Amino acid sequence: LAKTTQPISMDSYEGQEVNITCSHNNIATNDYITWYQQFPSQGPRFIIQGYKTKVTNEVASLFIPADRKSSTLSLPRVSLSDTAVYYCLVGDGGYSTLTFGKGTMLLVSP
Amino acid sequence: DADVTQTPRNRITKTGKRIMLECSQTKGHDRMYWYRQDPGLGLRLIYYSFDVKDINKGEISDGYSVSRQAQAKFSLSLESAIPNQTALYFCATSDTLLVPGELFFGEGSRLTVL
Repeated sequence: LAKTTQPISMDSYEGQEVNITCSHNNIATNDYITWYQQFPSQGPRFIIQGYKTKVTNEVASLFIPADRKSSTLSLPRVSLSDTAVYYCLVGDGGYSTLTFGKGTMLLVSP
Repeated sequence: DADVTQTPRNRITKTGKRIMLECSQTKGHDRMYWYRQDPGLGLRLIYYSFDVKDINKGEISDGYSVSRQAQAKFSLSLESAIPNQTALYFCATSDTLLVPGELFFGEGSRLTVL
């Protein structure tokens, strides 16, 4: 299983753009990159998924360089409600399972 | 109603007691999972099931057992609870045919073992 490394914590202010980078050096050809968001005492929630280049949805953007050994989750103009833990996972959705690391605790201040 | 429902949401029990956490889903997904989360840690996989006849151990299965009673139901049992099993437990589902790796989580079951 591909292992991921991401910062333990990040701080930001309301209105700023936040970029969280995840390293996954041994990502396999069939693996996708998926990001989840978790609020305290709630289950994680799917944010975005990508395979290569750039993916954008109503919540975030995901940038994946050509070598796919890292990825960056971009949250535009964060608000206080974006304070949460963000997890980067790598897997192919096949017969392997996804492993959650400790994630990145994002704290957004006024 | 939630698509993935866990019961009970909160439970306090004593060391040595048998506890069952139940999970039911209305999403029609074939895959179901049990995760455990401890404060400050990520989620760790306990057991998973890719269909009714398929049960697999995760990274921390010792002290736990599961039962997949139907496609929609997946139960986690602690045969003899111990204090270090105090944690927040999550059930999740996924569908083989949908977006790879998209898990749908329940609201969690907080278990305290005294």
